[in-house]
Amino acid sequence: NAGVTQTPKFRVLKTGQSMTLLCAQDMNHEYMYWYRQDPGMGLRLIHYSVGEGTTAKGEVPDGYNVSRLKKQNFLLGLESAAPSQTSVYFCASSRTGGPSGELFFGEGSRLTVL
Amino acid sequence: GQNIDQPTEMTATEGAIVQINCTYQTSGFNGLFWYQQHAGEAPTFLSYNVLDGLEEKGRFSSFLSRSKGYSYLLLKELQMKDSASYLCAVRDLAPKLSFGAGTTVTVRA
Repeated sequence: NAGVTQTPKFRVLKTGQSMTLLCAQDMNHEYMYWYRQDPGMGLRLIHYSVGEGTTAKGEVPDGYNVSRLKKQNFLLGLESAAPSQTSVYFCASSRTGGPSGELFFGEGSRLTVL
Repeated sequence: GQNIDQPTEMTATEGAIVQINCTYQTSGFNGLFWYQQHAGEAPTFLSYNVLDGLEEKGRFSSFLSRSKGYSYLLLKELQMKDSASYLCAVRDLAPKLSFGAGTTVTVRA
């Protein structure tokens, strides 16, 4: 039972390069989220999706794009990476957006931008 | 938006009790969650409260007062494995969770 899987786990980029992080969940969850985590700042929401074909901006969306073409996948793209995007990225999913909808997290993707 | 505050660090002795407080301000409230995160790992769900009062799950309990914008997580009979970061998170009327910066708990022998 895989749950939420993120690829890649680690990546080093040069400033200006582009990349895509893939999140896949096998729990048939409607809601999916991308967070970044930086020391002393906790988890900050980048973008989220309430279902296949939908996306919405979170707290820190600038410099990122997302797509949810299939229900089980949520992609996070960086078109032109900047050192400020060095962070640990977590994908999460939940069955519902209501009060009992706990988030299930992937293991994280550590991105370094030089 | 959300404004979620919790202490940065706490230290306690094995076998003791520790209480982690969380205060929040939100334009709409639809649940408060606690997560545990060990260093280098993903957050894992501990508990949630949507109504006022105490929810108990084994050695962990969580309390909520919506009128005061206040919650706490109580860890009893502390074990070394409880050394971790504890994240308070609030769900508003949109289906998204906003997190506090986390409280790092260190358990000493």
